Amino acid sequence: ILNVEQSPQSLHVQEGDSTNFTCSFPSSNFYALHWYRWETAKSPEALFVMTLNGDEKKKGRISATLNTKEGYSYLYIKGSQPEDSATYLCVLSGYALNFGKGTSLLVTP
Amino acid sequence: DVKVTQSSRYLVKRTGEKVFLECVQDMDHENMFWYRQDPGLGLRLIYFSYDVKMKEKGDIPEGYSVSREKKERFSLILESASTNQTSMYLCASSLGTGTYEQYFGPGTRLTVT
Repeated sequence: ILNVEQSPQSLHVQEGDSTNFTCSFPSSNFYALHWYRWETAKSPEALFVMTLNGDEKKKGRISATLNTKEGYSYLYIKGSQPEDSATYLCVLSGYALNFGKGTSLLVTP
Repeated sequence: DVKVTQSSRYLVKRTGEKVFLECVQDMDHENMFWYRQDPGLGLRLIYFSYDVKMKEKGDIPEGYSVSREKKERFSLILESASTNQTSMYLCASSLGTGTYEQYFGPGTRLTVT
């Protein structure tokens, strides 16, 4: 089992602020790192999957990077909007699935 | 679009009852998963299945069993419900492991009184 740590646990920003949070892991012994967005009263939805050191993915105002050598992934949100409010989950997929506890983001107007 | 459906959104059961939570996916996915989500603990894997009639224990299988008689259906069974099994239960499916994303159902909020 890989211990996946996400920080911060929660975050409150104003609309228009840019923000980022971290997923850290002790080993690169996994096949892929996934980011999911989980809005209240909805199901988690996949945002990105990354496999290689240096991978960068982008979807609109949201982007993510992966550094397997130093054991972290960053998720960035540029110009946060209220609809970005959600919990963002980091998942390492190897022989087993290893979930972080998520970062809960609240964006207020 | 992949659809993962769960039999109930909300369920209230009494301690000691046998509880069945059903999950159905319509995209011929090989893998299916059951999770529970509790405040401060995140998502925890209870059981998963890579094929029909095949099951593997996750991180917290105690007090649960599963059944997968057909590819599209994965059932979670609480043999004798207890109050500490009050939780949100999420089902998911995926085409494979590794880089394949999981598709989640809407969740079942189970309360055991």
